[in-house]
Amino acid sequence: AQSVTQPDIHITVSEGASLELRCNYSYGATPYLFWYVQSPGQGLQLLLKYFSGDTLVQGIKGFEAEFKRSQSSFNLRKPSVHWSDAAEYFCAVDIYTDKLIFGTGTRLQVFP
Amino acid sequence: EAGVTQFPSHSVIEKGQTVTLRCDPISGHDNLYWYRRVMGKEIKFLLHFVKESKQDESGMPNNRFLAERTGGTYSTLKVQPAELEDSGVYFCASSQLGQQETQYFGPGTRLLVL
Repeated sequence: AQSVTQPDIHITVSEGASLELRCNYSYGATPYLFWYVQSPGQGLQLLLKYFSGDTLVQGIKGFEAEFKRSQSSFNLRKPSVHWSDAAEYFCAVDIYTDKLIFGTGTRLQVFP
Repeated sequence: EAGVTQFPSHSVIEKGQTVTLRCDPISGHDNLYWYRRVMGKEIKFLLHFVKESKQDESGMPNNRFLAERTGGTYSTLKVQPAELEDSGVYFCASSQLGQQETQYFGPGTRLLVL
């Protein structure tokens, strides 16, 4: 079945540590790919997106993501996490239907 | 520039009652979307307006849900009568024509049906 998978429901890291959140999709063609973040009490904020071209995408707040076609993955990374990064992160795809299909989200907890 | 706004932020109602959620998109955005996140599940698409027309309503769960966008500006989503399983967070998003793949989301309305 076509889907977006975020295998990690909850991740805990120490402030200053590196972070990688995983996202895999299962669609025939390469969809548009997105990462959104929802901080407590806030709406969904677009972190970054990939449509085509350079497979390493830079986003806001120091985040980046790498598209790997061979692995059908679009993992989100940050070299050094800040306490304010504690939030829920959602991977999403658009398979050219103008609607987003989301993963189940990964909740990030940051310890000082 | 104001972002997508939604009202109310929270709503608690009893089963069988009616609730109306409102979304104001970013000014100039002709595309408007409704999504819903039921507790513990993924965010799911409900429907998509282009201006005042429903482009895609394939995600609407049943006929208790009615979405409108009169005049192509703000949109309402009415649930009548509400059931327990309707509880969740309802998100609205908007995007520009020709850039519909980049959607901007509102803060959501948290609905609890008791």
